[in-house]
Amino acid sequence: AQSVAQPEDQVNVAEGNPLTVKCTYSVSGNPYLFWYVQYPNRGLQFLLKYITGDNLVKGSYGFEAEFNKSQTSFHLKKPSALVSDSALYFCAVRGFGKLIFGAGTRLAVHP
Amino acid sequence: EAGVAQSPRYKIIEKRQSVAFWCNPISGHATLYWYQQILGQGPKLLIQFQNNGVVDDSQLPKDRFSAERLKGVDSTLKIQPAKLEDSAVYLCASSLVVGGSTYEQYFGPGTRLTVT
Repeated sequence: AQSVAQPEDQVNVAEGNPLTVKCTYSVSGNPYLFWYVQYPNRGLQFLLKYITGDNLVKGSYGFEAEFNKSQTSFHLKKPSALVSDSALYFCAVRGFGKLIFGAGTRLAVHP
Repeated sequence: EAGVAQSPRYKIIEKRQSVAFWCNPISGHATLYWYQQILGQGPKLLIQFQNNGVVDDSQLPKDRFSAERLKGVDSTLKIQPAKLEDSAVYLCASSLVVGGSTYEQYFGPGTRLTVT
């Protein structure tokens, strides 16, 4: 079955420090992977996607994600966190022709 | 470029009442999606349209939920009668191609439904 797991409900990081939000997936065939961000009272915004090619994918707002096929992971990263990065982050995988979302990870960046 | 528009933003109804949500996708986007996002969970696809045809409605509770996309543009999602467990945010999204397999989906701000 196609699924996505985000093992951390919340990630806390100090401003200026690197951040990582974890995601693992289970899918048959080649994975199409996505990261979205959700700010309060707003819809989801697309950050980046992995379809094929380089394992390191660069996206919006300085975010990047590393695809690791052997570990079936697609972790979201940023070298230096900003307070404005505080939001809810969702990993998603395309399965059965639809996007299957994880439960989300709340990122809190402290000044 | 205008984004995905949804209305209303908030709705409070009593159980057994009916409610309808409206969505206007990004111009030119053939594919439209309705998602249900329960608090603390990721969005779950309810129904997917390409133009005015249904591509996937396998997770739509058809005994109470219905959706239409007349003329392949705007869409309406209806719940009748509502249950307490329908309390959630209803998100509309659109994308350029069927299934959005490699194209990202663009989401509207959502409608927060509270059923009392």
